Amino acid sequence: DQQVKQNSPSLSVQEGRISILNCDYTNSMFDYFLWYKKYPAEGPTFLISISSIKDKNEDGRFTVFLNKSAKHLSLHIVPSQPGDSAVYFCAASAGGGADGLTFGKGTHLIIQP
Amino acid sequence: DTGVSQDPRHKITKRGQNVTFRCDPISEHNRLYWYRQTLGQGPEFLTYFQNEAQLEKSRLLSDRFSAERPKGSFSTLEIQRTEQGDSAMYLCASSYKLASGEQFFGPGTRLTVL
Repeated sequence: DQQVKQNSPSLSVQEGRISILNCDYTNSMFDYFLWYKKYPAEGPTFLISISSIKDKNEDGRFTVFLNKSAKHLSLHIVPSQPGDSAVYFCAASAGGGADGLTFGKGTHLIIQP
Repeated sequence: DTGVSQDPRHKITKRGQNVTFRCDPISEHNRLYWYRQTLGQGPEFLTYFQNEAQLEKSRLLSDRFSAERPKGSFSTLEIQRTEQGDSAMYLCASSYKLASGEQFFGPGTRLTVL
C-alpha cells in the first residue's frame, strides 16, 4: 500500500506564477516530511523539510505547509522559474528524519515560458 | 567535490551473475542509506547503517542482497544471482544531523540485468 501519495503525475505552470505540489500520507507515525527535486540521470536533491510540530516552513521561494489533521502537505514555489522544471518527490519518516524515508511516486513539474 | 559518490554509474550484467556497488558518503556523515528506484516510482528504502552497524533492513532486501559498511566509512551493496527484476537505479544517501534529518543522495548506479 502506498503510504505517501502524490496524486498528480504532472503539473504545468506558467513562469512567474505559483506552483503548488500536493502530497497525502496515511501513516500517523510519520513525524518528519521532506521534499526532493530530481533531474534526469541525477540523484534527488533535498529542497525543504518540516517537522510534525510545525505547520509551515519557508526557505526563499519554497514554502511547505503541513496539515496533520488532513494528513496532507503541500509545496509552494513562488515565483516559478524555468529551472524549477523537474520531478518533485514528497518523502516522510517516522523516526524524526533518522530512519529510511518513504517516498511518493513524484510529480513532474513543467514551467512554461 | 564533497558530495556522495557512487561507483559504477552504470552496470550491465547477465542474469545469474553477482554485482557489487560502492557508495562513499559525505565524510562527516555517520548514517548511510541504500534505496532502489524503478521507472515511474519514487525511491524505495532498502537498508541503513549508523557507523558500521546495520540498523534496519526493508523486506525488499531479499536474501540475495547484502550490504556492508566496514569501519563506518564507505558501503557496498552486493546482489547475488541477479534477476531481471533487479534492474533499477540503486541510490545511496547519507546524513549526520539527527535533528534535521536531511539525507543527501548520490547520483545512483543504474543496473541493467539482461
